[in-house]
Amino acid sequence: AQKVTQAQTEISVVEKEDVTLDCVYETRDTTYYLFWYKQPPSGELVFLIRRNSFDEQNEISGRYSWNFQKSTSSFNFTITASQVVDSAVYFCALNFLAGGSRLTFGEGTQLTVNP
Amino acid sequence: DAGVIQSPRHEVTEMGQEVTLRCKPISGHNSLFWYRQTMMRGLELLIYFNNNVPIDDSGMPEDRFSAKMPNASFSTLKIQPSEPRDSAVYFCASSVGTGGQPQHFGDGTRLSIL
Repeated sequence: AQKVTQAQTEISVVEKEDVTLDCVYETRDTTYYLFWYKQPPSGELVFLIRRNSFDEQNEISGRYSWNFQKSTSSFNFTITASQVVDSAVYFCALNFLAGGSRLTFGEGTQLTVNP
Repeated sequence: DAGVIQSPRHEVTEMGQEVTLRCKPISGHNSLFWYRQTMMRGLELLIYFNNNVPIDDSGMPEDRFSAKMPNASFSTLKIQPSEPRDSAVYFCASSVGTGGQPQHFGDGTRLSIL
């Protein structure tokens, strides 16, 4: 079975703190893709990053960084020096090729950054 | 560049009425997806199309739901008759190709069935 678990339902931090959002996935496939999406209070879903199962290189984009570890089936997301505008629900998602284009989403983590 | 366009943004109607949600995918994208988001079930895929052909409709809740994609630039999701439990945010997304490609989402339609 394919499954994505985001154990942190809610996280609250103060501006400028670093915060890590956890994502653990389950799949029997060897070829799969992992994604992070952001859903701000306005409600839209914004694509942030995609990673394939053969590329374990970590990635940094500005204040955002992602740590992919196949050994622990984790794809964690870190925001450095958080800002109020980072407040949103963040979703981790899994796509396994045998499942076609189906995205399996985690339950999401509500991040609140307080001034 | 225009993103995925959904209409209406909000819909409030009484149970038993027919509801039609519309979606225009990003130009050049050949895969289109309909998702539903609720507090209880989170984000769930209802159906997706590739090159206008329905590929996987296993997430469609029941026969009251139907989706069509008559051409590459337009899709509809219809609920007839609607019920209060259909209240949710419905998202349309599109991507280039299938399998592993990022899906880009519209702003969603917030549907309330009274």
